[in-house]
Amino acid sequence: QSALTQPRSVSGSPGQSVTISCTGTSSDVGGYNYVSWYQQHPGKAPKLMIYNVSQRPSGVPDRFSGSKSGNTASLTISGLQAEDEADYYCCSYAGSYTLVFGGGTKLTVL
Amino acid sequence: EVQLVESGGGLVQPGGSLRLSCAASGFTFSTYSLNWVRQAPGKGLEWLSYISSASSSISYADSVKGRFTISRDNGRHSLYLQMNGLRDDDTAVYYCARDQGPWDLDYWGQGTLVTVSS
Repeated sequence: QSALTQPRSVSGSPGQSVTISCTGTSSDVGGYNYVSWYQQHPGKAPKLMIYNVSQRPSGVPDRFSGSKSGNTASLTISGLQAEDEADYYCCSYAGSYTLVFGGGTKLTVL
Repeated sequence: EVQLVESGGGLVQPGGSLRLSCAASGFTFSTYSLNWVRQAPGKGLEWLSYISSASSSISYADSVKGRFTISRDNGRHSLYLQMNGLRDDDTAVYYCARDQGPWDLDYWGQGTLVTVSS
């Protein structure tokens, strides 16, 4: 149950695109199409942004997209907006009814 | 409106016990799996435990296995986490989260703070 690997921070200017990577193993990210992404603003509960690798819940802007290749999943945010500044966490099913989160990435909108 | 409200957090001494509750409303509680997730101060999210809708499947992270016990009462629309043998590194905000299935957490509570300190 080792945490998935995410960059500690990424940044971009308003209107630009950023991509956050999430690297696991064949026992989690690579083994299942159950990768989700969560946005967390300071002092708030996490919010589901992407599930099943690339599906968006209703109400999440289509600026947010997800993908996966091998053991690495990615979250791309296009047309960056100030309100996108937050911490982002990936999460993967890891078998045997367990989940594993990434260490989190702080997104700064310059 | 879906709501999850955690309670039961507080200050406890190392080695002590605490029972967290999560009261649910706004959805058919008995048909959803649930999870506990925690976040230590200034740190990332850590998944702790899962329980299926009928409590037939239960799992734990290695960090809490043997010390924490998850349970639910579908009649009371409530989820629980019994925490024994608490350690300093269990200090965190504890969240309950609904699993919309499979394996994505679509609703979260506001969290309850557990502080383990002498």
